[in-house]
Amino acid sequence: KQEVTQIPAALSVPEGENLVLNCSFTDSAIYNLQWFRQDPGKGLTSLLLIQSSQREQTSGRLNASLDKSSGRSTLYIAASQPGDSATYLCAVTNTGNQFYFGTGTSLTVIP
Amino acid sequence: EAGVTQSPTHLIKTRGQQATLRCSPISGHTSVYWYQQALGLGLQFLLWYDEGEERNRGNFPPRFSGRQFPNYSSELNVNALELEDSALYLCASSFGTSGRGQYFGPGTRLTVT
Repeated sequence: KQEVTQIPAALSVPEGENLVLNCSFTDSAIYNLQWFRQDPGKGLTSLLLIQSSQREQTSGRLNASLDKSSGRSTLYIAASQPGDSATYLCAVTNTGNQFYFGTGTSLTVIP
Repeated sequence: EAGVTQSPTHLIKTRGQQATLRCSPISGHTSVYWYQQALGLGLQFLLWYDEGEERNRGNFPPRFSGRQFPNYSSELNVNALELEDSALYLCASSFGTSGRGQYFGPGTRLTVT
């Protein structure tokens, strides 16, 4: 069974710092990996979707990489802002269209 | 393009009652997924519907059920509510099984008293 782990569970950084969030998964036979953001009590906002054949995706200050063979993905956030404070979740999809979510990294950006 | 919508936003029920939650997917999406997110816990997969059929369900009792309508909207029904059913229920949709990712609605907050 696929297991998705996110490290660290919580992270607090000063505004302007660059940071990296990590996601690892146990079964490399994935179809894609998706990064989400969740604000407290709200739904999930899709940030980036990386297909299994891709190595990375970029959107604005966000860059996500995927190393399928090692079962790892990173989400890089450049020049962090207080508005980036949220919980970040990664999810992998296997070929059976089953989605597996990590437990998330809670990010706080201090002004 | 309109996103995934869910109704109601909040729902308060008493133990033993039934709750019905609704979800409308993004136009063109045929798959709908339901998740439960209890306070302090991660997302727990509940149900997956595609083209009107239940394709998969998570480790939840049968009192959690649902259906998908011909227009691809979906209902989640929770019977015989228990206090521990209090949670944020999230619906997501995707373009079938194409692997184009899931897109979430804002959720329904269910409180059971």
